Amino acid sequence: AQSVTQPDIHITVSEGASLELRCNYSYGATPYLFWYVQSPGQGLQLLLKYFSGDTLVQGIKGFEAEFKRSQSSFNLRKPSVHWSDAAEYFCAVGISGGSYIPTFGRGTSLIVHP
Amino acid sequence: DVKVTQSSRYLVKRTGEKVFLECVQDMDHENMFWYRQDPGLGLRLIYFSYDVKMKEKGDIPEGYSVSREKKERFSLILESASTNQTSMYLCASRRDRTSNQPQHFGDGTRLSIL
Repeated sequence: AQSVTQPDIHITVSEGASLELRCNYSYGATPYLFWYVQSPGQGLQLLLKYFSGDTLVQGIKGFEAEFKRSQSSFNLRKPSVHWSDAAEYFCAVGISGGSYIPTFGRGTSLIVHP
Repeated sequence: DVKVTQSSRYLVKRTGEKVFLECVQDMDHENMFWYRQDPGLGLRLIYFSYDVKMKEKGDIPEGYSVSREKKERFSLILESASTNQTSMYLCASRRDRTSNQPQHFGDGTRLSIL
């Protein structure tokens, strides 16, 4: 079975600083990878996804993520964080076959200081 | 854009009551899901449905049931509400049973059982 680890429960950054949120997965084949964001009191919104091809994926709100097969990672990055980026971020992995149910990480809470 | 609508943002019920949480999607998606979200535990899958009249147990189905009589509507039922079911409940839909499709989430229902 696949698994997803987000090692950081909380991350604090200053507004304008760069950001990297970590995501590691465990799965035997190439997975389908997603990053979602959840603003306070809201549901989850898709930021970006990786299926195949170019390992650097661009998403909405200025986010990007890089798939590194050798490290089983799919880290989310943003060059300059805005106060409105404060939210909960979830990494998820989908697989082909079986139940087709994605597995979510436990989330990373991003705090942005002015 | 896909719209997933959960009927209530906030709900307060009493122990032992039968509680219905409703979810409607407007994009003719085949798959629908119910999750609960608790601090530190991430998203946990309660039930899902691949298509109308179909339902499958997720990771934590105890104390819950679901109904999918129409394709656009997926209802979560707490048969006899208990205080440990106080949580945020998220509904999601997905186009079909291919793992490279992202899920679309509603804004959630924050349920309190007194």
